[in-house]
Amino acid sequence: NFMLTQPHSVSESPGKTVTISCTRSSGSIAINYVQWYQQRPGSSPTTVIYEDNQRPSGVPDRFSGSIDSSSNSASLTISGLKTEDEGDYYCQSYDSSIHVVFGGGTKLTVL
Amino acid sequence: QVQLVESGGGEVQPGGSLRLSCAASGFTFSSYDIHWVRQAPGKGLEWVAFMRYDGSNKHYADSVKGRFAVSRDNSKNTLYLQMNSLRTEDTAVYYCTKGGPTWIVLEYWGQGTLVTVSS
Repeated sequence: NFMLTQPHSVSESPGKTVTISCTRSSGSIAINYVQWYQQRPGSSPTTVIYEDNQRPSGVPDRFSGSIDSSSNSASLTISGLKTEDEGDYYCQSYDSSIHVVFGGGTKLTVL
Repeated sequence: QVQLVESGGGEVQPGGSLRLSCAASGFTFSSYDIHWVRQAPGKGLEWVAFMRYDGSNKHYADSVKGRFAVSRDNSKNTLYLQMNSLRTEDTAVYYCTKGGPTWIVLEYWGQGTLVTVSS
């Protein structure tokens, strides 16, 4: 099985841009789709990016996703930060044996 | 709109059993894959199980394989998670999630139901 490693926490000021990384331990990050989920305190998770870089309807274009094969990692970038963006963010992917894995989560603070 | 409502959580002793239900509405339930995901108190998300829209394929996390079983009744728009031989480490909020547009995308999540395994 593989692991997805995320930074434990990030913080940035309103209006700025933040990037959260998600590094895959084995197997290519580019072969299996990566999703990103946002979980605000006390709420269920919601999807903010799916299939590496697709945005569900209703998610603002301030959210974007990308894949970097050279570092075997995925990234979630949030621009024009708002206080409502605070919460935990999880990346998720899988392998050919249908092992579905979440990253450990990154706590985003907008201060 | 899409709704997923979990029920059946509660407190159970180690070694006991519990069956969770997930009632779906607002979409054609029989056309979508479904996952169960759990979250221990104060911890991150952990994938538990997956079932294809037609029941043809099921997959489980290693941590629950052989103890948990997922099933669905498409005539009732309901998903189930039968949990046997429960352990204290199974204590968590359990979410059912609708797959889409591909199976791995957890497009919509329920509000979750809390399972507490304690003596």
